[in-house]
Amino acid sequence: DVKVTQSSRYLVKRTGEKVFLECVQDMDHENMFWYRQDPGLGLRLIYFSYDVKMKEKGDIPEGYSVSREKKERFSLILESASTNQTSMYLCASSLSPWAESSYEQYFGPGTRLTVT
Amino acid sequence: AQSVTQLGSHVSVSEGALVLLRCNYSSSVPPYLFWYVQYPNQGLQLLLKYTTGATLVKGINGFEAEFKKSETSFHLTKPSAHMSDAAEYFCAVSGGTALIFGKGTTLSVSS
Repeated sequence: DVKVTQSSRYLVKRTGEKVFLECVQDMDHENMFWYRQDPGLGLRLIYFSYDVKMKEKGDIPEGYSVSREKKERFSLILESASTNQTSMYLCASSLSPWAESSYEQYFGPGTRLTVT
Repeated sequence: AQSVTQLGSHVSVSEGALVLLRCNYSSSVPPYLFWYVQYPNQGLQLLLKYTTGATLVKGINGFEAEFKKSETSFHLTKPSAHMSDAAEYFCAVSGGTALIFGKGTTLSVSS
């Protein structure tokens, strides 16, 4: 089974702090994604990566950056956390873009981030 | 551009009753369609998917969905609800490299 892990389930940070959310997958997937989930808004794509050191902006990249130095690891960075970034953050991975099953995404358990 | 609309943010059923969660999509290309389930404080788990072929798709936990191209719909059903089905359900359509998700429907099941 594919396993996607996230470094923390719950995180509390102060406004202005730099925050790192880590995600690791163990199935050699090419694609990795970061979403945020808010009540009534569903999942919104922040960034995704289709290869090491490659990244693409999603729908709401403002205030975030990402890093993918190794294939299995995809980090989300909040350069200066703000209260409106309080949310659930979900990481996902999927096979290479050229596989028919590439759209099937596997999700981690999520990190609930609170910025005070 | 692709989009997904889930009709009803909250659906309530009694245990043993039919579950029907509605999903309509918009896509300029043949879509791949997915239903995911999220239990409290957990990530999303794939319930079922439609890529090509048979339009009636069976998934885990007794759920199924039917792709209707003429209606641009992919509604999720289960003949008999169980208490353990209480969760949030997300419909998604393929869009570029990523998935486009609906806003979710919370299913409540009462005894």
